[in-house]
Parts: sequence; C-alpha cells; structure tokens
Amino acid sequence: KAGVTQTPRYLIKTRGQQVTLSCSPISGHRSVSWYQQTPGQGLQFLFEYFSETQRNKGNFPGRFSGRQFSNSRSEMNVSTLELGDSALYLCASSPKTGRFEYGYTFGSGTRLTVV
Amino acid sequence: SQQGEEDPQALSIQEGENATMNCSYKTSINNLQWYRQNSGRGLVHLILIRSNEREKHSGRLRVTLDTSKKSSSLLITASRAADTASYFCATDDYKLSFGAGTTVTVRA
Repeated sequence: KAGVTQTPRYLIKTRGQQVTLSCSPISGHRSVSWYQQTPGQGLQFLFEYFSETQRNKGNFPGRFSGRQFSNSRSEMNVSTLELGDSALYLCASSPKTGRFEYGYTFGSGTRLTVV
Repeated sequence: SQQGEEDPQALSIQEGENATMNCSYKTSINNLQWYRQNSGRGLVHLILIRSNEREKHSGRLRVTLDTSKKSSSLLITASRAADTASYFCATDDYKLSFGAGTTVTVRA
C-alpha cells in the first residue's frame, strides 16, 4: 500500500511569508502527527490530528497551525516565516491516537528554507 | 525539549563489525522505539520494546531496555554499508520524544 506522502519535497520562502505543507497518511490511518527537525533542536513534536481534531500540541508559537480533513489528509501552516523556521518538517501516520504498541510511519519530509 | 541523550553522537566502523549505541531517557515510559534516518530523509521505524520487556531482537538488531536506569541500547550486528544512517531512540507518550541521535558510518 502507498506510504505517507508529503508535498512539496522542497520549498524556499522569504521571511514574513506564509507556507502550507501537506501530508497524506497511509490509507486507513486516521492520525497524523507533525514534527520539526533542525540541527540545533533536533526532532520536536508540533501537533497531532485525529478525526479532524487536534489531540496534542507541542511547544511552538501560534504561527504554527494545522488542520485535518475528512479524508485524514493534513496540512500545516506557518505564518510570518522567520529564518529559524528553516527545517525538515516530517509527518507521521498511525491508525489511531493515544498510546499503542507499534511504531509510526513517517513521510520523506518537506525541506523548508527561509531566506 | 528532547526526552534524553544518545551516546555516542557519532560512530565509525568497518563493514562486518558490530555497532552499539545507547539512549537515556528522563521519565517513565510506555514503550521505547528506535528509528533510522538516511541523509535527512524520513524516519524508518526499526523496533519497539515495551516497558515490561528487557530485550528484543529483529534480524540483525538487538535492543535492550533497563527501566531502572532509564536507558536502552541498540546493537547492529555484522554491519553493512547500507546501515550508514542516523539512529534515534524515542519514547512514546501520546507523542514521540526523540533523543539527539547517533550518526553511524559504515566503511567498506
């Protein structure tokens, strides 16, 4: 079955702009989580969506937001981009939310560069 | 903030040798997972060990967990060039909290 699809793969934006990233989970998976990876801070949890509802949120400013559609596809939005937002953004797909005894499936990521 | 630390930060070994990396975490866990990342791409789930398990095997991978010391180790036996990657441990508590990772280079 198809894996987790993230689009676009690469993105270059200017400071102050906004950006929208997309994630299509594995068919049948209803939970999508987003992570930011930077050399300085490593991998950090942004938020999780399940059944179109945000279930969990990490410690990021309000400029970072997301949503999930009825087909489980998710988008994350970053407004008023800053240079420090340059990162690899990863989404992870899972069948359900909460604690469970199997791993997550990650997409290949979107590499965002803010200039 | 990250859950814990991984040791060493980087590891360089010859093909055929074993690679061992360690992970420490701070809070009680439900399970601990290991992931691999090749060249800044997505993470691949390798193995999950539950908090009531002490050791688990999957192919050339062996994971141990010591909850009293809040630590885990990942052993890759008979390494191959394709094992060159960064390896991350992560604790799962409604979200994944990752360590800083160990970069493994396998020399041919």
